[in-house]
Amino acid sequence: DVKVTQSSRYLVKRTGEKVFLECVQDMDHENMFWYRQDPGLGLRLIYFSYDVKMKEKGDIPEGYSVSREKKERFSLILESASTNQTSMYLCASSFKYYEQYFGPGTRLTVT
Amino acid sequence: AQSVTQPDIHITVSEGASLELRCNYSYGATPYLFWYVQSPGQGLQLLLKYFSGDTLVQGIKGFEAEFKRSQSSFNLRKPSVHWSDAAEYFCALKTSYDKVIFGPGTSLSVIP
Repeated sequence: DVKVTQSSRYLVKRTGEKVFLECVQDMDHENMFWYRQDPGLGLRLIYFSYDVKMKEKGDIPEGYSVSREKKERFSLILESASTNQTSMYLCASSFKYYEQYFGPGTRLTVT
Repeated sequence: AQSVTQPDIHITVSEGASLELRCNYSYGATPYLFWYVQSPGQGLQLLLKYFSGDTLVQGIKGFEAEFKRSQSSFNLRKPSVHWSDAAEYFCALKTSYDKVIFGPGTSLSVIP
């Protein structure tokens, strides 16, 4: 079975802090994705990566950056966390052209 | 424009009753379509997928979906709902560059 893990299930950070969310997949998938999920807005794509060191902006990249130094790991970085970044963050991975597999999510609260 | 709509925000059914969740898409080429389920506080789990071929696809947990090109629909069905099926259901469409557009979701409640 495909396994996508995320570093934390729950995270509480203060405004202005730098926040790292980590995602690891064990299936040698080329593609990895970061979404945020908010009530009434569904899933929105923040960034995705189709290869090591490659990244593409999604629909809402502002305030976020990403890093993919190894194929299995995709990190989402909030350079200076703000309260409007309080959300559920979901990581996913996929083989090229195939379906995405999701991690359990990280519920981030910024106070 | 590429889009996915799920007309029903919330549905309530009795345990043992049949279920149909609606999904409509807009896409200019042959669509790759998915249904995902999300239990409270969890990530999304793939229920089933349609890439090509047979328009009736079977998935996990007793779910099936039918692709109808003429109606641009990909409705999810289950003949008999169990209380454990209460969750959020997302229809999704794969577009270019392996990006996926998700519908807004349908929340399912099951009455015992």
